[in-house]
Amino acid sequence: QVQLVESGGGVVQPGRSLRLSCAASGFTFSRNAMHWVRQAPGKGLEWVAVIAYDGSTQYYGDSVRGRFTISRDTSKNTLYLQLNGLRPEDTAVYYCAKEEGTTRFDYWGQGTLVIVSS
Amino acid sequence: QSALTQPASVSGSPGQSITISCTGTTSDVGNYNYVSWYQQHPGKAPRLMIYDVTNRPSGVSNRFSGSKSGNTASLTISGLQAEDEADYYCISYTTSSTRVFGGGTKLTVL
Repeated sequence: QVQLVESGGGVVQPGRSLRLSCAASGFTFSRNAMHWVRQAPGKGLEWVAVIAYDGSTQYYGDSVRGRFTISRDTSKNTLYLQLNGLRPEDTAVYYCAKEEGTTRFDYWGQGTLVIVSS
Repeated sequence: QSALTQPASVSGSPGQSITISCTGTTSDVGNYNYVSWYQQHPGKAPRLMIYDVTNRPSGVSNRFSGSKSGNTASLTISGLQAEDEADYYCISYTTSSTRVFGGGTKLTVL
């Protein structure tokens, strides 16, 4: 069965960096685009980034472009999100999601919490 | 890219039908049939309910249906049940190849 397991969250000071990971299993990782979606405490879902199935293209939401980088390692079946220049407003649960269609995310991880605070 | 516009809350009694709207622009909802809807219960990951405007994944009740007219997509839930009480989010593809979510709608089953 498909599983997505995020890790790497924690408490970090403003301006610092963090790398999130999403370990994928139960499907052919190299065949699907992958997304990161976040949710601030008590707020709605915010789309963060997408990476193509082969890693050739990446797109980002306006609020993270230039600070976050999405990548993937097919040999490890793992998706990453590098978070640089963190701000308090980046505090959120970060989910990875498997794309089966353009906005069709059929599997989601359980999320990892990032708290940006001094 | 601004978030798609959804009502903050809707409510209905068991057995009734409700509709949640999702309004975008010609740069997103109005330009593509790539609108999906997600259900989220508190503390849980989102669950796909409708994709590509009208399609229902296997395992999703046929009480859930989707439609679109112009720049506005809609999710209709018929025969409301207590378990339908949750937050609902729409998402669209955009002309910048990004995606954008709606602000979310809290559904209360009275």
